[in-house]
Order: sequence, then structure tokens, then C-alpha cells
Amino acid sequence: EDQVTQSPEALRLQEGESSSLNCSYTVSGLRGLFWYRQDPGKGPEFLFTLYSAGEEKEKERLKATLTKKESFLHITAPKPEDSATYLCACYQAGTALIFGKGTTLSVSS
Amino acid sequence: GAGVSQSPSNKVTEKGKDVELRCDPISGHTALYWYRQSLGQGLEFLIYFQGNSAPDKSGLPSDRFSAERTGGSVSTLTIQRTQQEDSAVYLCASSPRTGFFGEQYFGPGTRLTVT
Repeated sequence: EDQVTQSPEALRLQEGESSSLNCSYTVSGLRGLFWYRQDPGKGPEFLFTLYSAGEEKEKERLKATLTKKESFLHITAPKPEDSATYLCACYQAGTALIFGKGTTLSVSS
Repeated sequence: GAGVSQSPSNKVTEKGKDVELRCDPISGHTALYWYRQSLGQGLEFLIYFQGNSAPDKSGLPSDRFSAERTGGSVSTLTIQRTQQEDSAVYLCASSPRTGFFGEQYFGPGTRLTVT
């Protein structure tokens, strides 16, 4: 069964304390991996798409990387406004997106 | 520009009643998706519309669920004879690209509570 697993479920950081979120997948024939950010009471907001192993994308304090088995979302010197749930989703040809359950990040000042 | 809008934002209904949830996608987006997000679960795909093509209904959990999209724009998700397990946040998304290959823009969701 195709699966997308995110870890940790929850992460608490101090402002400025860098860390990484993990998304491991067993989807065969991956065509794309997506990262979304979701704030409480809102719909997910698109962050990145990665298409092939070795690819990296950056946006402000976030950097996403992809290997053949997992993706990491690196957060450098986070700020309280980075607090949110980060969702990972995988796409394989002919099927719908498969979402992980998310990592809830809390950044305190 | 305007994003994806959904109504109502909250809906409380009694078990056995029918409910209709509405989605207004971003203007010009040809792809429209419905998802369900239950507490502690990941987003679950329900149905996908692309232009005038037949919808992909592979994610609908039962025949109590149906959806339509009129004029290639507004979509309505209908749940008949609601059950308590239908309680969840129902999210709509649209995309300017076909399939599931592109980024999707989500609405704020409708929180459905079945009592």
C-alpha cells in the first residue's frame, strides 16, 4: 500500500533554532512531491513541488530536498510566524495525491 | 485576486439529514478537487473535476456522497443521510493545471458536524 509518513508529529523550537521535518514515502513511480503549510482554521497553502531525487527548492527560511525515499523540509532560524502544520503529499501517475498526516511546528520567542 | 471560497464555513446537522457544501474556485482554473480532513488524519481525496470531462470519483467513500460542477465553475458536494463519521472539514481546491501534477489552491474549508 502506498504510504506517506511524516515525522515528527509535533516539533517545538525556540526562535532561531534550526531543524528539519521528514516525509518518507513508499509510493512507487513518484512523479512529484508537494509541501504545503496549513494554519489553524485555514486551507493548506502551497510551498514547493519537487520532481526528482537531488532536487532542492528554497523560499525564505525554508528549504525542501528530495531523495528516492524521503523529503526533508529544513527550517533555518525559524520565527514564531513559521508556526503551522506542514503537510507533505505525493503524486504518482494515474492516482490522486496521497497526503501525510503532517508535522505541527511551534516556534516560541 | 480572489481565492477559493467555500460556504458555509460551519455546518451542524442531525444524523440522517442531507447537506450541500459549495465551492467557488479561482476564476479560470479548470481543475477542481474535493478533500476531507478528519481529526488526526491526512487529507483524503474525494473527487476531481477537469473541464468538461467526466469527474474522477474514485475517492468518494460511499454512494451517499456526490458532487457536481456547473458551467465549469462552481461545485457542490452533497452528502445524503449524513452519519456521525462524516464529521470532518471538507476542503475544496482548484488548479490551473490538469491532473494532480500542479500546485493546488485551497479554500478555507467547511467544518461539518453531524450530531
